[in-house]
Amino acid sequence: NAGVTQTPKFQVLKTGQSMTLQCAQDMNHNSMYWYRQDPGMGLRLIYYSASEGTTDKGEVPNGYNVSRLNKREFSLRLESAAPSQTSVYFCASFGGSPLHFGNGTRLTVT
Amino acid sequence: SQQGEEDPQALSIQEGENATMNCSYKTSINNLQWYRQNSGRGLVHLILIRSNEREKHSGRLRVTLDTSKKSSSLLITASRAADTASYFCATDEDNFNKFYFGSGTKLNVKP
Repeated sequence: NAGVTQTPKFQVLKTGQSMTLQCAQDMNHNSMYWYRQDPGMGLRLIYYSASEGTTDKGEVPNGYNVSRLNKREFSLRLESAAPSQTSVYFCASFGGSPLHFGNGTRLTVT
Repeated sequence: SQQGEEDPQALSIQEGENATMNCSYKTSINNLQWYRQNSGRGLVHLILIRSNEREKHSGRLRVTLDTSKKSSSLLITASRAADTASYFCATDEDNFNKFYFGSGTKLNVKP
């Protein structure tokens, strides 16, 4: 039982490059989330998905797109990375119990 | 958008003392959760309290919820140096399970 699996763990991008962060959960949860955490700060919600095929903007959605093609997977895409997107990204899922988090992706944009 | 806000931002106490941190929010909620995060690590779930509950305990942790005041408190009794961490509350908008985190309370427990 892997829980929430997030890839990659680390990534360095140049400004303007694109990439997709992958997230998958095996707990049959409906709700999935993408958060970012900047140094010394709390988690800020980027996007939320209540169920397969639905997505909803969070606090800081600009510069990101998401895709929830099935119940297990929720991906986050940066189309044109900017230095301001340097952060640690966490994927999470929720099924009525505590939020389950992935291990995070440390992204640096130079 | 709704967001839990913790108070104080930072707290420094001696080992053995109690630590209390508060979380306030703006709209009605279904669930409120508390998490701990050690420096550079992931989040560890502490307690989930539902809107129809007023108090929950887990070991040395006690969480209260006052929906009339839209606030929650986390009490850590007999603190230890290992409790040094940042503590966050997460609240959801009513019926949406859309969780927002506060900016956290940074707790330092001095040995």
